Amino acid sequence: DTGVSQDPRHKITKRGQNVTFRCDPISEHNRLYWYRQTLGQGPEFLTYFQNEAQLEKSRLLSDRFSAERPKGSFSTLEIQRTEQGDSAMYLCASSWLGQLVYGYTFGSGTRLTVV
Amino acid sequence: QKEVEQNSGPLSVPEGAIASLNCTYSDRGSQSFFWYRQYSGKSPELIMFIYSNGDKEDGRFTAQLNKASQYVSLLIRDSQPSDSATYLCAVAWDFSGGYNKLIFGAGTRLAVHP
Repeated sequence: DTGVSQDPRHKITKRGQNVTFRCDPISEHNRLYWYRQTLGQGPEFLTYFQNEAQLEKSRLLSDRFSAERPKGSFSTLEIQRTEQGDSAMYLCASSWLGQLVYGYTFGSGTRLTVV
Repeated sequence: QKEVEQNSGPLSVPEGAIASLNCTYSDRGSQSFFWYRQYSGKSPELIMFIYSNGDKEDGRFTAQLNKASQYVSLLIRDSQPSDSATYLCAVAWDFSGGYNKLIFGAGTRLAVHP
């Protein structure tokens, strides 16, 4: 499989619960991005990694959100104490450094519903 | 605050017509420009990128860039009902000698009717 893989595809959780999403980038891509998209909006940048280093975090990423990429391969995004406003599609993308000029490829996304 | 603006639509065109989608961006430092297509419930799919002023054609799609006016557009010729989707404009900036991330507009919804 040469695409970006995200798991799970859908997640329904009760308010206050913690959730964790996983992203497996395209093999050998050293840049990995997380975005959040709500209905009627474009993807909003959350954070990105170059290898295992988290180089930028958006102000949208409150202290309830944490992302890791421990070995520079897959990444996880955890949301603690979920709120209804966290309901969104969470998108992961990857690229090779120096090739961002060509854009990047998104995974299928994880749709989170907080009830 | 770097911004990317798009008309939300819907833009309704008859089958076979040319659909014209527009996007403006706020920062003259912008380097590369992208058009993504997103079907309802699916993730965005890259269809075009452009970084030089002028036109770039790929099949039925033409991207147009005017950096002086901070304007980028996408033309879809011979529109088909299967082109009905939301089209996202995205812009990359060059920070510290390297492109860091894409900033997206809210998207324009295109509806092609038979």
